[in-house]
Amino acid sequence: DVKVTQSSRYLVKRTGEKVFLECVQDMDHENMFWYRQDPGLGLRLIYFSYDVKMKEKGDIPEGYSVSREKKERFSLILESASTNQTSMYLCASSLSQYYTGELFFGEGSRLTVL
Amino acid sequence: GIQVEQSPPDLILQEGANSTLRCNFSDSVNNLQWFHQNPWGQLINLFYIPSGTKQNGRLSATTVATERYSLLYISSSQTTDSGVYFCAVEHGNNRLAFGKGNQVVVIP
Repeated sequence: DVKVTQSSRYLVKRTGEKVFLECVQDMDHENMFWYRQDPGLGLRLIYFSYDVKMKEKGDIPEGYSVSREKKERFSLILESASTNQTSMYLCASSLSQYYTGELFFGEGSRLTVL
Repeated sequence: GIQVEQSPPDLILQEGANSTLRCNFSDSVNNLQWFHQNPWGQLINLFYIPSGTKQNGRLSATTVATERYSLLYISSSQTTDSGVYFCAVEHGNNRLAFGKGNQVVVIP
């Protein structure tokens, strides 16, 4: 079975802090994704990566950056956290770099920014 | 962009009942997936179904791509079926558009 592991289930940070969310997948998938989920807004794509060191902006990249130094690991970075970034963050991966394919999600990281 | 609408938004079922969830989308899509989000937030892939019909235990799904809709059937519902069901469609390279979800509560 595919396993996508997110480093923290729950985080509480202060405004202005730098936040790292880590995601690791164990199935040699090419694609990795970061979404955020908010009540009433559904899931929105922040960034995705189809290969090591490659990244593409999603629908809401402002305030975020990403890093993919190794194939299995995709990190989401909040350079200076703000209260409007309080949300559930979901990492996902899929096999092929040419299309999304079947998507596998991690358990999610619930971030609260005070 | 592409619109994905799911109905009904909320559904309460008695354990053992059957139900149908619907996903309509506004444009041609490359593929369609159904997910279940459990009460703890984990999203599980149920079906990868760009067209046709698939079955997995008590769940089945049908996508009619030419008419731009997909249906998810839950038969003999159990309390563990509670959660939110999401439909997502791929409309460009590596971009999925998600519906707002169907909130399902199964009561014993």
